Amino acid sequence: AQTVTQSQPEMSVQEAETVTLSCTYDTSESDYYLFWYKQPPSRQMILVIRQEAYKQQNATENRFSVNFQKAAKSFSLKISDSQLGDAAMYFCAYRSRGAQKLVFGQGTRLTINP
Amino acid sequence: EAGVAQSPRYKIIEKRQSVAFWCNPISGHATLYWYQQILGQGPKLLIQFQNNGVVDDSQLPKDRFSAERLKGVDSTLKIQPAKLEDSAVYLCASSLPGAGTEAFFGQGTRLTVV
Repeated sequence: AQTVTQSQPEMSVQEAETVTLSCTYDTSESDYYLFWYKQPPSRQMILVIRQEAYKQQNATENRFSVNFQKAAKSFSLKISDSQLGDAAMYFCAYRSRGAQKLVFGQGTRLTINP
Repeated sequence: EAGVAQSPRYKIIEKRQSVAFWCNPISGHATLYWYQQILGQGPKLLIQFQNNGVVDDSQLPKDRFSAERLKGVDSTLKIQPAKLEDSAVYLCASSLPGAGTEAFFGQGTRLTVV
């Protein structure tokens, strides 16, 4: 079974600085997708960014980018120019091409210091 | 475009009572998920529907949890009888078919069992 591990329960960063959230996963499959979701206090999960495993190029979405290392099974999220609105729980998730279910990590609580 | 609707937002019940949650997915989304998120943890899949059919219910405690999706649209998740350890946020999500598609989440129902 696939597992996702986020080893940082909490992270904090100064406003306008850059922060990196870590994620590792375990799978025997070669074709899958990886996601980062944000969960603010409202509880609604919001997709931040996604990465297709067969694409070597790292995904970027405005201030958010990933460092995808397939061989190391690592998928970190970099947030540049951190803003107060980025404060939330961040979850890394895995989805195999066949299964469609999302397997989530334990989450990282990100605090932005003004 | 309307998002995933869930009700109620909050529910408090006594142990051994029953409770039901309702979810209305985004129109046209064939895939519907119910996740359980215990405080401080990542969401765990309880059940996944594709249209009317169950795709994955391997982690659903079937002795007390049940779910149905009528006519491939709305879904209800029921717990009977509830236990203290069922206290959690229950998230509903929906998506179009395909492993790379975005799963859209509702705001969840926070259940407290006392």
